[in-house]
Amino acid sequence: ELKVEQNPLFLSMQEGKNYTIYCNYSTTSDRLYWYRQDPGKSLESLFVLLSNGAVKQEGRLMASLDTKARLSTLHITAAVHDLSATYFCAVATGANSKLTFGKGITLSVRP
Amino acid sequence: NAGVTQTPKFQVLKTGQSMTLQCAQDMNHEYMSWYRQDPGMGLRLIHYSVGAGITDQGEVPNGYNVSRSTTEDFPLRLLSAAPSQTSVYFCASSDGNTIYFGEGSWLTVV
Repeated sequence: ELKVEQNPLFLSMQEGKNYTIYCNYSTTSDRLYWYRQDPGKSLESLFVLLSNGAVKQEGRLMASLDTKARLSTLHITAAVHDLSATYFCAVATGANSKLTFGKGITLSVRP
Repeated sequence: NAGVTQTPKFQVLKTGQSMTLQCAQDMNHEYMSWYRQDPGMGLRLIHYSVGAGITDQGEVPNGYNVSRSTTEDFPLRLLSAAPSQTSVYFCASSDGNTIYFGEGSWLTVV
């Protein structure tokens, strides 16, 4: 059974500082997704990582994938309040529509 | 751009009632799926489909039925609603890489 772990469940960040959050998964997969969710809203796609060593960047966020370590990282550069949200990673197995999600990490950026 | 459309957005049901959550996509995607999201948890897969006429169970299928008579539509049926089915339901479709989510359906069973 595939397990996806995100830790911690909540992270308080200081504005302007850098942070890294992690996503571990238990079985082989080469497709990993990062989503952002604001309260009461749907999921916004951030990154799709399709192969080992993949690195993608969008604004202050950079995601990478190490399939050998079964680990993805989401690096936040100079946190700003607008990044406050819950971030989910999800791993694809088999047919692409089948995703296993982590429990999400709620980020809160304070001044 | 419609993308993935879910209806209704909000619904209150009484225990034992049945209902159907509708999901439609206009992107001609073969893959569609339904997830539920409960507080403090990520999304969990209920049912999925890899094309018209083909469906299969996900992680939490009990109490739900699906069908896929067309590429566009993938309705989720609650047969006899229970309070444990109070949740937020998301429909998704995929082009093989990117997965697109609907806006969600908030369901309360009393």
